[in-house]
Amino acid sequence: GENVEQHPSTLSVQEGDSAVIKCTYSDSASNYFPWYKQELGKGPQLIIDIRSNVGEKKDQRIAVTLNKTAKHFSLHITETQPEDSAVYFCAASYSGSARQLTFGSGTQLTVLP
Amino acid sequence: NAGVTQTPKFQVLKTGQSMTLQCAQDMNHNSMYWYRQDPGMGLRLIYYSASEGTTDKGEVPNGYNVSRLNKREFSLRLESAAPSQTSVYFCASSLGQGGNTEAFFGQGTRLTVV
Repeated sequence: GENVEQHPSTLSVQEGDSAVIKCTYSDSASNYFPWYKQELGKGPQLIIDIRSNVGEKKDQRIAVTLNKTAKHFSLHITETQPEDSAVYFCAASYSGSARQLTFGSGTQLTVLP
Repeated sequence: NAGVTQTPKFQVLKTGQSMTLQCAQDMNHNSMYWYRQDPGMGLRLIYYSASEGTTDKGEVPNGYNVSRLNKREFSLRLESAAPSQTSVYFCASSLGQGGNTEAFFGQGTRLTVV
């Protein structure tokens, strides 16, 4: 089955700096790669996703890049703000499965004022 | 529009007790899922239901049973709770198009087994 590895497990940045979280996946058939943000005491919420026919996608301060050859994808947050502090999860799935997502182990992002 | 609603939010069980976690969604989604979240391990799939009337095992099904009661509701049952089942449990739903659609999560149930 699919295996998703996520790094780093914790990340601290100064407010206004950029943050980058990286994930690798094992199943070359995977073609959907979402990123979820989980705030304390809440369930994960989708913030951005990318499909395998696209190399990069942006939404305001958030961007995701995908390298299918190397089987890795990354989340980039620019101009970080204190409200960006949360746990971020990457995930992967492929269209042939109804099992949905395989998640990475999560990154605790702390934005320091 | 409530999205995905889980009950209860918190629960403490003694070893060997049983309980059912309830989940309901109001988005007319076909697929529903139960995950458990443990520190440093992300979210691991326990069981899923691709559509009403079907259920399948995920990555960590041992010690759990599920029931897809109707399109809206998907319950998770612990027949004889063990301390290893102490975790945060999340229910999720998606439109259900082969895994390529957004999953919406409930707020979670924090379960402690003593």
